[in-house]
Amino acid sequence: GENVEQHPSTLSVQEGDSAVIKCTYSDSASNYFPWYKQELGKGPQLIIDIRSNVGEKKDQRIAVTLNKTAKHFSLHITETQPEDSAVYFCAARGTNTGGFKTIFGAGTRLFVKA
Amino acid sequence: DAEITQSPRHKITETGRQVTLACHQTWNHNNMFWYRQDLGHGLRLIHYSYGVQDTNKGEVSDGYSVSRSNTEDLPLTLESAASSQTSVYFCASSNRGRTDTQYFGPGTRLTVL
Repeated sequence: GENVEQHPSTLSVQEGDSAVIKCTYSDSASNYFPWYKQELGKGPQLIIDIRSNVGEKKDQRIAVTLNKTAKHFSLHITETQPEDSAVYFCAARGTNTGGFKTIFGAGTRLFVKA
Repeated sequence: DAEITQSPRHKITETGRQVTLACHQTWNHNNMFWYRQDLGHGLRLIHYSYGVQDTNKGEVSDGYSVSRSNTEDLPLTLESAASSQTSVYFCASSNRGRTDTQYFGPGTRLTVL
């Protein structure tokens, strides 16, 4: 079935450095790629998303890139801050997955050291 | 403000008991979803609904059921709780036709002893 792989599972960076999280997906029909941030004790919150007709999208310190040929997409966080520490999930949704089902990666726990 | 809520936030039950987790959203969204979250597995889809009276099985639906009698609510029932169902459960909703964004509730931590 459809699958989304996410790497790394844990990432530790120094405050001010950049963090990159990478995902690959298996369903070539996937057309929507959201990223979620989950803080301790809370539900995932959407932070940025990208659609298949766009290669890159940026929102302040976060950006997402998409390579449809390679079926890769990545989250980039620049100038990291301690409040960026959380678990980040990538996800992919495709028309072959029955409409609105979204397949999630296993998550990346990001630690930003002050 | 519109929101999505879950109750209870924490629940401890015994093996074999029936448990129902509530999910309520005030966005008037058509689509609602139930996920479970376990370490190393991310979020796995249990059941989902595209509208009133519509329900569908996700990838880990065994032992769970849902019903959709109105737009706002999608309760999740564990017919006979098992220790393997100890997990954190998240409900989500999205508005078909406008955006694919799923909005998540705060979660319910369920422990089956």
